[in-house]
Amino acid sequence: NAGVMQNPRHLVRRRGQEARLRCSPMKGHSHVYWYRQLPEEGLKFMVYLQKENIIDESGMPKERFSAEFPKEGPSILRIQQVVRGDSAAYFCASSPESTGYTGELFFGEGSRLTVL
Amino acid sequence: QQQVKQSPQSLIVQKGGISIINCAYENTAFDYFPWYQQFPGKGPALLIAIRPDVSEKKEGRFTISFNKSAKQFSLHIMDSQPGDSATYFCAASLYQKVTFGTGTKLQVIP
Repeated sequence: NAGVMQNPRHLVRRRGQEARLRCSPMKGHSHVYWYRQLPEEGLKFMVYLQKENIIDESGMPKERFSAEFPKEGPSILRIQQVVRGDSAAYFCASSPESTGYTGELFFGEGSRLTVL
Repeated sequence: QQQVKQSPQSLIVQKGGISIINCAYENTAFDYFPWYQQFPGKGPALLIAIRPDVSEKKEGRFTISFNKSAKQFSLHIMDSQPGDSATYFCAASLYQKVTFGTGTKLQVIP
């Protein structure tokens, strides 16, 4: 019973390049969340998606960042034209679809992006 | 209004002691208050959680105390062990969106 799978675990990009982070939720989970964690800081909500729909993207920067969760395949967080300030750990979490939502998120181990 | 404030930022406790982490929130609509534990290089994992209609919840050495009128909640770790050394995040959720505190780095020394 695999957990939330994120890849790559580590990614190095030069300024101006694109970063693509992938997340496969737990089996049976149809809700995906992306969080960003900067050193010595908490987890900042970025976006909440269900299959083929963005439910809440209030935490996403307006430019350069996008997310998708297609009908087939993993969720993708895409960062275009990366800058040094994008260096962070990006965590994906998933939760099951249920009428009695418990608020529990199941996290992956994160993708650590370093921008040179 | 979506903020969750957490303190202290770091905490050093002797083995066998009690670790206490405090959180406060503003939005009274939050309906679920989980605590997550994160070890270095790993993702956060749910530790214990409480709903606002309950004042206390205990699971083993971990207890959440919840004060609805003060809009505060806290995590107590009894008989703290070196293996408890990790970063702890309080959180509050509404409409399937979870807002996290800034984290407390706990170190339990032998």
